[in-house]
Amino acid sequence: KQEVTQIPAALSVPEGENLVLNCSFTDSAIYNLQWFRQDPGKGLTSLLLIQSSQREQTSGRLNASLDKSSGRSTLYIAASQPGDSATYLCAVAYSGAGSYQLTFGKGTKLSVIP
Amino acid sequence: KAGVTQTPRYLIKTRGQQVTLSCSPISGHRSVSWYQQTPGQGLQFLFEYFSETQRNKGNFPGRFSGRQFSNSRSEMNVSTLELGDSALYLCASHPDGRQGSYNEQFFGPGTRLTVL
Repeated sequence: KQEVTQIPAALSVPEGENLVLNCSFTDSAIYNLQWFRQDPGKGLTSLLLIQSSQREQTSGRLNASLDKSSGRSTLYIAASQPGDSATYLCAVAYSGAGSYQLTFGKGTKLSVIP
Repeated sequence: KAGVTQTPRYLIKTRGQQVTLSCSPISGHRSVSWYQQTPGQGLQFLFEYFSETQRNKGNFPGRFSGRQFSNSRSEMNVSTLELGDSALYLCASHPDGRQGSYNEQFFGPGTRLTVL
């Protein structure tokens, strides 16, 4: 059974700082990995999708890396802003499921202090 | 393109009642998945539909069911509601349900269900 772990559970940083969020998964047979952002009481916003054959993806100030063999992904946020405050979720799609199903971590709650 | 829409956004029910939630995927998306989010368990997969067929189901009791219509819209139903069913129910659609295709999932705003 695939398990996804995100560390730390919460993180508070001053505005302007660069930061890294971590995600680990137990089964390397993944189809892809997706990072989401969730604001309180809202749905999920897709940030980055990394296919299993890729090593990283970039979008603006965000960069996500994937190391399938070690079961790890990181989300790097450059020059953090108060508007980045949210919960960040990592999810893996398991390639052996027979359908498309995401397994989520519990998330990292990020607070960027002005 | 309009995003994934879910109705209603909020629901309050009492134990023993049943509820139906609706999801309209992004136009052209054929696959719809449902997830339950609670503070304790996080996000858990309920089921996935593709071309009106349930392709996969998570570890939830039979009180949870769903269906998909020919226009890809989906509904999920929870019968005999329990207090523990209180959660945010999220629907996600993807462009193409076939394995081997680019499958970024897009989520709706969710339906907040409160069971009293």
